[in-house]
Amino acid sequence: KQEVTQIPAALSVPEGENLVLNCSFTDSAIYNLQWFRQDPGKGLTSLLLIQSSQREQTSGRLNASLDKSSGRSTLYIAASQPGDSATYLCAVLSFYNQGGKLIFGQGTELSVKP
Amino acid sequence: DTGVSQNPRHKITKRGQNVTFRCDPISEHNRLYWYRQTLGQGPEFLTYFQNEAQLEKSRLLSDRFSAERPKGSFSTLEIQRTEQGDSAMYLCASRANPPGGPKRGNEQFFGPGTRLTVL
Repeated sequence: KQEVTQIPAALSVPEGENLVLNCSFTDSAIYNLQWFRQDPGKGLTSLLLIQSSQREQTSGRLNASLDKSSGRSTLYIAASQPGDSATYLCAVLSFYNQGGKLIFGQGTELSVKP
Repeated sequence: DTGVSQNPRHKITKRGQNVTFRCDPISEHNRLYWYRQTLGQGPEFLTYFQNEAQLEKSRLLSDRFSAERPKGSFSTLEIQRTEQGDSAMYLCASRANPPGGPKRGNEQFFGPGTRLTVL
């Protein structure tokens, strides 16, 4: 059974700092991995999607990496801003259920202090 | 707005009442997903449709829950005899099929959610 874990549960950093959020999964047979952002009381906004054949994806100040063999993904945020404050969730899609459900981690709540 | 929409955004109800939520997916997407998210947790899968066919249901979807997607367009999620434990955010997502459709393939796009509070 696939399990996704995100550590730490919460993170507070000063503005301008570069930071890394971690995501680990127990079954390496994944089809892809998605990173989402969620603002309080809101839905999920997709940030980056990495296919299982890819090592990383970049969008602006965000860079996501994937190491399937070790069951890990990281989301790197450069030059953090107060507007980056939100909960970040990672989710995996199983290779054997490509049409189906995403399995989510618990999320990391990020606070960027001015 | 061409994104996923959900109505209502908020619902407060008394224990024992029935509630129904609606999701309108992105128009060209034929896969539609329902998830439930409780405070401090990641979303958990409930069920999904390909067109009008319900292809998978989670064990979380007790017999008090029913979901439909008539004509493969919008979907409804009904909870009968609500309990306080049903209080959560209910999220809907959609995806194109085949995965090569949109340029980012297999990506699920989420709506704003419906916040349910059962008193």
